[in-house]
Amino acid sequence: DGGITQSPKYLFRKEGQNVTLSCEQNLNHDAMYWYRQDPGQGLRLIYYSQIVNDFQKGDIAEGYSVSREKKESFPLTVTSAQKNPTAFYLCASSIQGAISTNEQFFGPGTRLTVL
Amino acid sequence: GENVEQHPSTLSVQEGDSAVIKCTYSDSASNYFPWYKQELGKGPQLIIDIRSNVGEKKDQRIAVTLNKTAKHFSLHITETQPEDSAVYFCAGGSQGNLIFGKGTKLSVKP
Repeated sequence: DGGITQSPKYLFRKEGQNVTLSCEQNLNHDAMYWYRQDPGQGLRLIYYSQIVNDFQKGDIAEGYSVSREKKESFPLTVTSAQKNPTAFYLCASSIQGAISTNEQFFGPGTRLTVL
Repeated sequence: GENVEQHPSTLSVQEGDSAVIKCTYSDSASNYFPWYKQELGKGPQLIIDIRSNVGEKKDQRIAVTLNKTAKHFSLHITETQPEDSAVYFCAGGSQGNLIFGKGTKLSVKP
C-alpha cells in the first residue's frame, strides 16, 4: 500500500525533554510538510521541504527542527525551547513543492502531550 | 502573505438538507483551492479541489465554486448524510504551500 505514515499515534513526554516525531512516505513525493493543529486554530505550517537535503521554516518554526536526509523521511524534533508543545502534529507530502501547488496527502497524525 | 478566512465555524443541518461552507482568500496569486474532511483523531483527507482556471467542479453530492474576482470559494454538500459529519477545511495556495482556514464543524442530524 502506498501512503504516508506517522508514529507513534500518541506520545507523552516530560517537560524539558526533546522528542522526535516520525514521518515516512512511499509515494515518491518530492515535498513534505509538518503542521501543528490546535483546537479552533486550523493547521499551521511548522516546516516544509521541497527536495531532499533542503527545508524551509514555516509560520511557527520556533522551538522545532527537522531534517530531510532521505526522500521518504522527514522527522520533526520538538525541542525544549517550544513553549507550548502539546498538540496534534500532522505530516503531509505532495508530488511537487515549488513548481506548482498540488494535493497534499496527510498522515494519521501524532498527538503529543507534554506533562 | 496569504490569509484564508472560513465561515461558519460550526454548522448543523438535518439529514437530507444541503450544507454550504464559504472561504475567502487574500492573495490574488493563489491558484489552487482544495477542501479537506477531517474525522476525529485522523488526518485530513482531500474531498474536492479546484484550480483558478475553473469556476465550478462537481463530484456526486459535493461541488465547489470559485469566484476569482471576489476571491472567494465555497463548498456545497447536497443530500447530507450522518457520515458527512466532520470538520471541513478549505485552503488556498500557490508555489507549493497551502494556507488553511480554521475549519467548519459540520453536524448532520438524523
